[in-house]
Amino acid sequence: DAGVTQSPTHLIKTRGQQVTLRCSPKSGHDTVSWYQQALGQGPQFIFQYYEEEERQRGNFPDRFSGHQFPNYSSELNVNALLLGDSALYLCASSAGTGLFGETQYFGPGTRLLVL
Amino acid sequence: AQRVTQPEKLLSVFKGAPVELKCNYSYSGSPELFWYVQYSRQRLQLLLRHISRESIKGFTADLNKGETSFHLKKPFAQEEDSAMYYCALWGGSEKLVFGKGTKLTVNP
Repeated sequence: DAGVTQSPTHLIKTRGQQVTLRCSPKSGHDTVSWYQQALGQGPQFIFQYYEEEERQRGNFPDRFSGHQFPNYSSELNVNALLLGDSALYLCASSAGTGLFGETQYFGPGTRLLVL
Repeated sequence: AQRVTQPEKLLSVFKGAPVELKCNYSYSGSPELFWYVQYSRQRLQLLLRHISRESIKGFTADLNKGETSFHLKKPFAQEEDSAMYYCALWGGSEKLVFGKGTKLTVNP
């Protein structure tokens, strides 16, 4: 089991563009959470998906949207990119019950740079 | 809005010494609190949560509602404890809020 995987590892976009980030959860996990981590800051919770629906959402604008597929993998989409969207985007998976199940497993992150 | 404060950006102790990483929170409801850790060149991981009342790698954390604190403690620090530690609170509109982190260095 490779654990949580994310793709791409890094990418560069320009303002106004759209981006899609991908996450495959750890085997046996059905819940995926997404976080944004700016340089030198703690992570910020974006949203959590369970059973293909957004179960929880933090204070992020509608430009941030997501999707979960039947195989539990997930995508994070960001529209109309702003310079301030430059950050490391983390995905974490957990198994069903409760907020983060028994524990969360994090991916390595996707580093997004918006120019 | 909820807020998590980790007052120490950097903390340095010697091996074998006690260590306490401070976390204070501001939240009007009943919080759920977590500690996360990130070792050098490794992924972020959940260390412990207050509802579990567990000890992980010798670390414990007690929720003090009167002082609105959730400090992380270990009686005898080890070099392998050197890492970035984040305190986080679940509750309110932002859902999960993290502090800015404390970088712990345990010197030999």
